Amino acid sequence: GQNIDQPTEMTATEGAIVQINCTYQTSGFNGLFWYQQHAGEAPTFLSYNVLDGLEEKGRFSSFLSRSKGYSYLLLKELQMKDSASYLCAVVDSNYQLIWGAGTKLIIKP
Amino acid sequence: GAGVSQSPSNKVTEKGKDVELRCDPISGHTALYWYRQSLGQGLEFLIYFQGNSAPDKSGLPSDRFSAERTGGSVSTLTIQRTQQEDSAVYLCASSLPLASTDTQYFGPGTRLTVL
Repeated sequence: GQNIDQPTEMTATEGAIVQINCTYQTSGFNGLFWYQQHAGEAPTFLSYNVLDGLEEKGRFSSFLSRSKGYSYLLLKELQMKDSASYLCAVVDSNYQLIWGAGTKLIIKP
Repeated sequence: GAGVSQSPSNKVTEKGKDVELRCDPISGHTALYWYRQSLGQGLEFLIYFQGNSAPDKSGLPSDRFSAERTGGSVSTLTIQRTQQEDSAVYLCASSLPLASTDTQYFGPGTRLTVL
């Protein structure tokens, strides 16, 4: 079967750095998305990786290793507004999006 | 409008009744998705429309669920004879007319509560 694994919950301190990991086993691979979802709101797009390496976008960076079936989302200079769930999703060989259950990130002052 | 819109934002219904949920995708987006999200859970794929192709219904949980998309734009998700386990937030997303590697833009969702 297809599987996306993320930690259920993480806690970090305002101003610090946090890395949210995602491992996947899917039938084929055509890219990986990270989405942010605040409580009670719809998910919003953060990043898309299809090639190995690090993509940096402001305070957020996303890394992909296709050979390891692994990605991480790196958040720097954490702010209270970063408290949200972070969803990892993989596009499989049928171009279907397989979603992880999300990681709830709690930021403490 | 500029984004994906959904209506109603909240729906409370009695067990056994039928409900219709509406999604208006972003103009020009021919791909449209329906997802379901229970409290504290991840997204559950329901159905996918792409242009004039036959929809991918592989995620629909039972034959009580159906969806249509008229004129390649607005979509309606219908749940017949609702059950309490149908209570969830129903999210609609749309994307550009290429493969699923295009970013999906989500609507605000419809929160369905079945009493």
